[in-house]
Amino acid sequence: NAGVTQTPKFQVLKTGQSMTLQCAQDMNHEYMSWYRQDPGMGLRLIHYSVGAGITDQGEVPNGYNVSRSTTEDFPLRLLSAAPSQTSVYFCASSRGGGPHNEQFFGPGTRLTVL
Amino acid sequence: TQLLEQSPQFLSIQEGENLTVYCNSSSVFSSLQWYRQEPGEGPVLLVTVVTGGEVKKLKRLTFQFGDARKDSSLHITAAQPGDTGLYLCAGGGGGSNYKLTFGKGTLLTVNP
Repeated sequence: NAGVTQTPKFQVLKTGQSMTLQCAQDMNHEYMSWYRQDPGMGLRLIHYSVGAGITDQGEVPNGYNVSRSTTEDFPLRLLSAAPSQTSVYFCASSRGGGPHNEQFFGPGTRLTVL
Repeated sequence: TQLLEQSPQFLSIQEGENLTVYCNSSSVFSSLQWYRQEPGEGPVLLVTVVTGGEVKKLKRLTFQFGDARKDSSLHITAAQPGDTGLYLCAGGGGGSNYKLTFGKGTLLTVNP
């Protein structure tokens, strides 16, 4: 199993550009989520999904969109990139809901917005 | 909003020393997880504690969940350079609340 994969690994954007960060998992997990990690801020939840066709907002959803058309894929879209969105983005999946379940994280996408 | 505060923020020690890092909150959590993150990688789960007062051991790592389920600690005995990394605690609410709250982490460096 590849686990959780993310592409690209690195990306540089100009302010106002849009892009999609890809995330896929091959563990048949129902739950998937996107986090951003900034220095001194820890991991903050952007959006999450409890199954195909179901998404909800996390702590910092503004400027991001998500969709979940399949169990495997959970892309994150930046509509109009801003320098404040410079961060490392992690996708995670888990077998079930609730805080007892292990989150499996991808390797991250390092995004710089100029 | 549930907040988790981790201390210390940075810790640099010599190989063979013992250390303890803390994760504290004013909120009650139904469970608490500890993750370790190495540079350039995503976090990896070390342990989940769910019962107040619970102690779990993972080789040289000892995890404790406070009796009131508001705090946790991670103790490492005889630290090794391979223990270097960012240690994150994450707490979950009750029921089927999926959202995890992460602390800001403790960056541990173990020097040979």
